[in-house]
Amino acid sequence: AQSVTQLGSHVSVSEGALVLLRCNYSSSVPPYLFWYVQYPNQGLQLLLKYTTGATLVKGINGFEAEFKKSETSFHLTKPSAHMSDAAEYFCAVTAMNSGYITLTFGKGTMLLVSP
Amino acid sequence: DGGITQSPKYLFRKEGQNVTLSCEQNLNHDAMYWYRQDPGQGLRLIYYSQIVNDFQKGDIAEGYSVSREKKESFPLTVTSAQKNPTAFYLCASSTGQVAGNTIYFGEGSWLTVV
Repeated sequence: AQSVTQLGSHVSVSEGALVLLRCNYSSSVPPYLFWYVQYPNQGLQLLLKYTTGATLVKGINGFEAEFKKSETSFHLTKPSAHMSDAAEYFCAVTAMNSGYITLTFGKGTMLLVSP
Repeated sequence: DGGITQSPKYLFRKEGQNVTLSCEQNLNHDAMYWYRQDPGQGLRLIYYSQIVNDFQKGDIAEGYSVSREKKESFPLTVTSAQKNPTAFYLCASSTGQVAGNTIYFGEGSWLTVV
């Protein structure tokens, strides 16, 4: 079975500081990994995803993530936080359910950005 | 514009009543999903459907029902058997059964039991 663990339900940074949101996964098959962002009262928007190939993946809004198989990790980073980055972030891994493909999500990390 | 439309955005239900949440997509996607979101719990899969007239139970299907009579529509009924229905419900869709395909989400519906 596939699962995702996000370390830290809340992360606080100052504007301009490095953002690091941690995600570790468990998968019995080669994983496909995703990061989504959710602003208050809205749906989820895809930030980036890893399928195959280059392990450093660049996404929207200056975010990137690196797939590290040996560490079973897919941490999300951004060099310099903006106030507009304050939101909840979800890591997800492709899961197989009775032969069908779905996504299994972590519990989310709320990013707080202070001026 | 193409996208996923959920309605209503806010819904209040009395205990013992069934309610239906609407989800329509014009992306021509084959697969559709319903997730439930509770604070601190992340998203949990309720039901999913890969083709018309076929759907599968997810991790927390008890107390819910769905139908898939049309490719673009995947309504979710929250029945009176669901003991704790107050939550944020998200509908999603994707192009189908290819691992790595992006799943796109609607704007969500808030259900509150009063």
